[in-house]
Amino acid sequence: GENVEQHPSTLSVQEGDSAVIKCTYSDSASNYFPWYKQELGKRPQLIIDIRSNVGEKKDQRIAVTLNKTAKHFSLHITETQPEDSAVYFCAASGARALTFGSGTRLQVQP
Amino acid sequence: GAVVSQHPSWVICKSGTSVKIECRSLDFQATTMFWYRQFPKKSLMLMATSNEGSKATYEQGVEKDKFLINHASLTLSTLTVTSAHPEDSSFYICSANGRTVDTQYFGPGTRLTVL
Repeated sequence: GENVEQHPSTLSVQEGDSAVIKCTYSDSASNYFPWYKQELGKRPQLIIDIRSNVGEKKDQRIAVTLNKTAKHFSLHITETQPEDSAVYFCAASGARALTFGSGTRLQVQP
Repeated sequence: GAVVSQHPSWVICKSGTSVKIECRSLDFQATTMFWYRQFPKKSLMLMATSNEGSKATYEQGVEKDKFLINHASLTLSTLTVTSAHPEDSSFYICSANGRTVDTQYFGPGTRLTVL
């Protein structure tokens, strides 16, 4: 089955700096890679996703890159704000079911 | 669009009792729903895939007789934790595929505490 590894587990940045979270996956058949933001005690919220036919996708301050050959994808958040503080999960899927990474706790210091 | 609700949001029960959690897709039909369990400060672990009108597919290590899943309609799936024990205490979250086949939208979760 699919195995997704996520790094780092915690990340602390100053407000206005950029944050990068990286994930690798094992199953070359995976073709969908979403990123979720989860605040304490709440549901995961889809923030951006990318499919295997695309190398990069951007939505305002958030961007995701995908390297299919190396089987890794990354989340980039620019101009971070305190409200970006949360746990971020990457995931991968090839046939509906998602396999999640272990999560990154991002803390943005004001 | 693509709203998923879950009920109850939290439940406290005594050891040995059964608890039913409902997951509903409010504005779309979901042929497939997923059930996850999340322990504190951990990731989401897929428990089972629920298909409308057929038996659920359970992940390795998940006891199908303990975690009963029913998906009787295109908008409702239920998870029943039978004979609950304190180690079953966790955050249970369902999700459903939205209008694109692979995008998943999550319910708000149910926090189960077994005393």
